[in-house]
Amino acid sequence: EVQLVQSGAEVKKPGESLKISCEGFGYSFPAYWIAWVRQMPGKGLEWMGMIFPADSDIRYSPSFQGQVTISADKSINTAYLQWGSLKASDTATYYCARQVGYPNALDVWGQGTTVTVSS
Amino acid sequence: DIVLTQSPGTLSLSPGERATLSCRAREPISSDYLAWYQQKPGQSPRLLIYGASSRAAGIPDRFSGSGSGTDFTLTIIRLEPEDFAVYYCQQYNTSPWTFGQGTKVEI
Repeated sequence: EVQLVQSGAEVKKPGESLKISCEGFGYSFPAYWIAWVRQMPGKGLEWMGMIFPADSDIRYSPSFQGQVTISADKSINTAYLQWGSLKASDTATYYCARQVGYPNALDVWGQGTTVTVSS
Repeated sequence: DIVLTQSPGTLSLSPGERATLSCRAREPISSDYLAWYQQKPGQSPRLLIYGASSRAAGIPDRFSGSGSGTDFTLTIIRLEPEDFAVYYCQQYNTSPWTFGQGTKVEI
């Protein structure tokens, strides 16, 4: 079964750093794009960017460029989303999702990682 | 960025009725690179439709997508109780990919 399994919920303080993960199972992880999508509490979906693990080609949404870093380690079938200095406005649920080819829709989604940033 | 506007914001219907959801793009989406997702409370989004009209694997045939250019529609014939959810359209024609703001289908 194709699955994306994300790391667990996080509670952080403003200014702290964070790296969350998304591990792929049941398919050739390096060969498919992984996208990250933000959903703030009670709000809609926002596409943040994506990475092609085979060669680490990365595309960012201008809205998130410079605010987060997307990376991947194809040797362990895992993609990452990280922040250097969290803000309260980063409080959200973050989903990773697989994209089959370029361009294409997001056919498999992780379960989401809830990040809460509060002092 | 390509802005997608979904309407209506909320659709109040009963089981067995037909739902028609609209997604309008501010500029044309070529090659029909438009998808629809369903999200239920506390769950991850699920892909329903890609390429404007192709059903994803395992999606019942009561869901159908249509449209081209700037106007797209998701139709759900004979609503089932499990279909009450929020639906999002997404374009993947021009980076950055963008989502509509969602339509809530409620009882």
